[in-house]
Amino acid sequence: GAGVSQTPSNKVTEKGKYVELRCDPISGHTALYWYRQSLGQGPEFLIYFQGTGAADDSGLPNDRFFAVRPEGSVSTLKIQRTERGDSAVYLCASSTGTSGQETQYFGPGTRLLVL
Amino acid sequence: AQSVTQPDIHITVSEGASLELRCNYSYGATPYLFWYVQSPGQGLQLLLKYFSGDTLVQGIKGFEAEFKRSQSSFNLRKPSVHWSDAAEYFCAVYSTGANNLFFGTGTRLTVIP
Repeated sequence: GAGVSQTPSNKVTEKGKYVELRCDPISGHTALYWYRQSLGQGPEFLIYFQGTGAADDSGLPNDRFFAVRPEGSVSTLKIQRTERGDSAVYLCASSTGTSGQETQYFGPGTRLLVL
Repeated sequence: AQSVTQPDIHITVSEGASLELRCNYSYGATPYLFWYVQSPGQGLQLLLKYFSGDTLVQGIKGFEAEFKRSQSSFNLRKPSVHWSDAAEYFCAVYSTGANNLFFGTGTRLTVIP
């Protein structure tokens, strides 16, 4: 079956611009996670959704970052006034629940470069 | 607070040799532990996971890992490495309080013929 998909695969933008990154989870997965992976680092948690609501957004670095999941499926991560430090790979994952025993399935990521 | 340490940034092994990647965790309760592999341009793929029970867990691609509570470790092993195993490997612990995964910084594996 189809896995988690993310678009675009690469995004180059200029400092100060607005970007949107999209995640299409596996069908039927209720939990959706966003992580950010900087060069040479492991993924770091940003936010997760259980259904339509953001259950925990404590990993978002500041108020320039925002994510939505209006219908409980596709999610969009939005970054306003991008900064060079936002350059990273943004990973999306989905799972059937959040007990911890469910496998998180990851998408290929969106590589964001802010010039 | 939860954390994961992977002390080896880069490991090189010969094809056919055995492999052990180290992972140490810090977590207050019984940990849920995972190993993921990331190939260039690919997403993270789950190799194996541990929740409870038998401390030696088997995964895909011939990998196994052993949970040792006394050492706070969850090392990944493979008896004979193949060239296709060259990738980045991440150990992670799931925090049931925070409901998300905490990853180590990864170990890059190079396989030489």
